[in-house]
Amino acid sequence: LAKTTQPISMDSYEGQEVNITCSHNNIATNDYITWYQQFPSQGPRFIIQGYKTKVTNEVASLFIPADRKSSTLSLPRVSLSDTAVYYCLVGARTDSWGKFQFGAGTQVVVTP
Amino acid sequence: GAVVSQHPSWVICKSGTSVKIECRSLDFQATTMFWYRQFPKQSLMLMATSNEGSKATYEQGVEKDKFLINHASLTLSTLTVTSAHPEDSSFYICSAPGDSLTQETQYFGPGTRLLVL
Repeated sequence: LAKTTQPISMDSYEGQEVNITCSHNNIATNDYITWYQQFPSQGPRFIIQGYKTKVTNEVASLFIPADRKSSTLSLPRVSLSDTAVYYCLVGARTDSWGKFQFGAGTQVVVTP
Repeated sequence: GAVVSQHPSWVICKSGTSVKIECRSLDFQATTMFWYRQFPKQSLMLMATSNEGSKATYEQGVEKDKFLINHASLTLSTLTVTSAHPEDSSFYICSAPGDSLTQETQYFGPGTRLLVL
């Protein structure tokens, strides 16, 4: 069971880059790393997923070192609407998702 | 992309009554769905795994007779909170793994807010 550890909170100003690092020392070979964003009273929204190296999409980048024991979500030029809780999860379909368990998440607060 | 819906989005009921929450995968089939519960200012807690054509599997500490799960089809799972009490008031969220193109991704519903009076 891959447990994840993230900072509880991070503060940032508009326009800055926010980097959230997640530790997952017990990640299994088949596990993917997925990041979600959650606003109050809404379900988590998929942001980005990766297996190794770097992945980039239109909203974020995900950096994964070779040992895969951690990953860093990078949010470029955040705005006020990026204030949310961000969750890092590891899991894989191949092991019946290995119990897709949420950690505490990181509360990101963006101020003007 | 894969879309998961939930109905209702919110519900208020009296103590002792039962409430049914539906979770649907709108544009893909899901043989497995997951149900979570989230209390204010807390993370999501996995309650159970819903399996199409077989019994649900529950996490430790979750009463299977209180939280009835039925995976009626490849696109629908329901969670029934039986004899609801105020302590069952929470935000209930379902998820489903994506289709073959995004198979390692879980997609979440918008959640259902339950308030038991």
